[in-house]
Amino acid sequence: DTGVSQNPRHKITKRGQNVTFRCDPISEHNRLYWYRQTLGQGPEFLTYFQNEAQLEKSRLLSDRFSAERPKGSFSTLEIQRTEQGDSAMYLCASSDSTGIQETQYFGPGTRLLVL
Amino acid sequence: QKEVEQNSGPLSVPEGAIASLNCTYSDRGSQSFFWYRQYSGKSPELIMSIYSNGDKEDGRFTAQLNKASQYVSLLIRDSQPSDSATYLCAVNDPPGGSYIPTFGRGTSLIVHP
Repeated sequence: DTGVSQNPRHKITKRGQNVTFRCDPISEHNRLYWYRQTLGQGPEFLTYFQNEAQLEKSRLLSDRFSAERPKGSFSTLEIQRTEQGDSAMYLCASSDSTGIQETQYFGPGTRLLVL
Repeated sequence: QKEVEQNSGPLSVPEGAIASLNCTYSDRGSQSFFWYRQYSGKSPELIMSIYSNGDKEDGRFTAQLNKASQYVSLLIRDSQPSDSATYLCAVNDPPGGSYIPTFGRGTSLIVHP
């Protein structure tokens, strides 16, 4: 298994444009998480899925953000009408909740710059 | 609101020394604790997980957990310049909880030759 993958690795966009990121989790992992990280901060939770069900969204997540995991495998995170404050590293992590303990493994991240 | 506190540093140690990184957390019910290493511009990489009070050793790394004091630490023995990175502490609920770990801001470690 090659781990969690994310695409694209970098994205530069103009304010007001829509962007979509993809995450492919570790194949046997049923949970998938999205985080946002800015410089000097730890990862900030955005949302997570168990299989195809989106179980929780952060209250910090505005309605411009939407995420899907249609078949319980890969996931997409879309940001509509991007703002400069959306510039950050977007991290995806996956985990297996069926074991005794749960550990998250991160993908390489997508770095977004909104001009 | 659950909080995880870490000294942002930087913590500077000479090569070969022991680096000690500390983390405190607010939720007494937390049961899963993780240390991640993050190089500049890269994503977090899991180093250690610990679930029971006491010490857990893995190579040059030792995680220490004291649930009574709500304190978890990471010791790095024989520190190398390649250990220079930000170390993130993460704390999670027990099974049946929110499944959403809370991360600290991270401690920057600099190992100088």
